[in-house]
Amino acid sequence: SAVISQKPSRDICQRGTSLTIQCQVDSQVTMMFWYRQQPGQSLTLIATANQGSEATYESGFVIDKFPISRPNLTFSTLTVSNMSPEDSSIYLCSVGLSSHNEQFFGPGTRLTVL
Amino acid sequence: GQQVMQIPQYQHVQEGEDFTTYCNSSTTLSNIQWYKQRPGGHPVFLIQLVKSGEVKKQKRLTFQFGEAKKNSSLHITATQTTDVGTYFCAGPSGNTGKLIFGQGTTLQVKP
Repeated sequence: SAVISQKPSRDICQRGTSLTIQCQVDSQVTMMFWYRQQPGQSLTLIATANQGSEATYESGFVIDKFPISRPNLTFSTLTVSNMSPEDSSIYLCSVGLSSHNEQFFGPGTRLTVL
Repeated sequence: GQQVMQIPQYQHVQEGEDFTTYCNSSTTLSNIQWYKQRPGGHPVFLIQLVKSGEVKKQKRLTFQFGEAKKNSSLHITATQTTDVGTYFCAGPSGNTGKLIFGQGTTLQVKP
């Protein structure tokens, strides 16, 4: 298994600003993912954070809006840029220990944009 | 594209009643995974099923994987208030490590 921490746990931001969310894992992992979860909804994958290369984004998500860094095998950041109220959501990072095994989730970052 | 569908969306039961949620994939899956998310919490892995027709039990929870490896179910016997939460099924997207999540079933248990 893996233990994952996220910072901040929550934030309230003004529209037009940016917020960077950090995800730290207690062991080296190959696969890290970033999800968005609207209240009462399922998880939507934003991107796969690749170590040493650019993130791979899912349809509907772009690098300019959600830049991701993955400087090493234990850490990643997701930035939500030029925020609007529609970006209010819970952002979760997760890790996968292999391509066919379970994912472990961080506690999430609850973002409110005013 | 690949889709994972889950029903029902919500279920309210009296404590002690049984509960079942169903999961269907548009494609054959190499495995199916189930997660539980408590209110205000994050998804927590429950189990993975790999074999066609596989059945696994965890105390009062019974998980099944269909013969065609396209559907699955989670059955809870004699629900308790601690079972409250949202149950998600998820299937892998190829060999990418990515998961496609169902919409989830939110279970409410009345004491």
